[in-house]
Amino acid sequence: AQSVTQPDIHITVSEGASLELRCNYSYGATPYLFWYVQSPGQGLQLLLKYFSGDTLVQGIKGFEAEFKRSQSSFNLRKPSVHWSDAAEYFCAVGGVNTGGFKTIFGAGTRLFVKA
Amino acid sequence: GAVVSQHPSRVICKSGTSVKIECRSLDFQATTMFWYRQFPKQSLMLMATSNEGSKATYEQGVEKDKFLINHASLTLSTLTVTSAHPEDSSFYICSATRGLTGNTIYFGEGSWLTVV
Repeated sequence: AQSVTQPDIHITVSEGASLELRCNYSYGATPYLFWYVQSPGQGLQLLLKYFSGDTLVQGIKGFEAEFKRSQSSFNLRKPSVHWSDAAEYFCAVGGVNTGGFKTIFGAGTRLFVKA
Repeated sequence: GAVVSQHPSRVICKSGTSVKIECRSLDFQATTMFWYRQFPKQSLMLMATSNEGSKATYEQGVEKDKFLINHASLTLSTLTVTSAHPEDSSFYICSATRGLTGNTIYFGEGSWLTVV
């Protein structure tokens, strides 16, 4: 079975500064990797996903993530954070298990943006 | 694009009653749907995998008799919280996969359940 770890419970960055949210996964094969964003009281919005191919993935809202197999990581980055980026970010890993395909979520990282 | 819809978005029920949440794939057939539960300020926890025409597969620690899942058609899965208690109050989210490998996943908007 797969697992995913987001080491940082919360991160605070200044508006305009760069951002990196960490995500490490465990899975026996090449996983499907996702980053979602959730605003308070809202559902999930997919930022980007990786299945295969180019390990640097571009997403919406200026986000990108890089799959590093050797480090079992899929960190999310943004060069310049906007105040509207403040939200909860979830890394997820999908894979085929005995029960079929499942997607497991990390604990989430809360992003605070200060002026 | 493909959409997954949940209904109701918010529901308040009394303790001891049952409440049903629907998850529909609006423009595609979803052989597999998933139900997640999210407590405030926590992550999504997978509850069960719902397979069309067969019994749901529950994750460890999830009570099958309390959280009844029915996937009667390729576009509809329902989650029924039976004999609800205040501790069942939570945000419930469904997702549906499009494609055999599940590499396209769509999430519903979520349903807030408050048990009073």
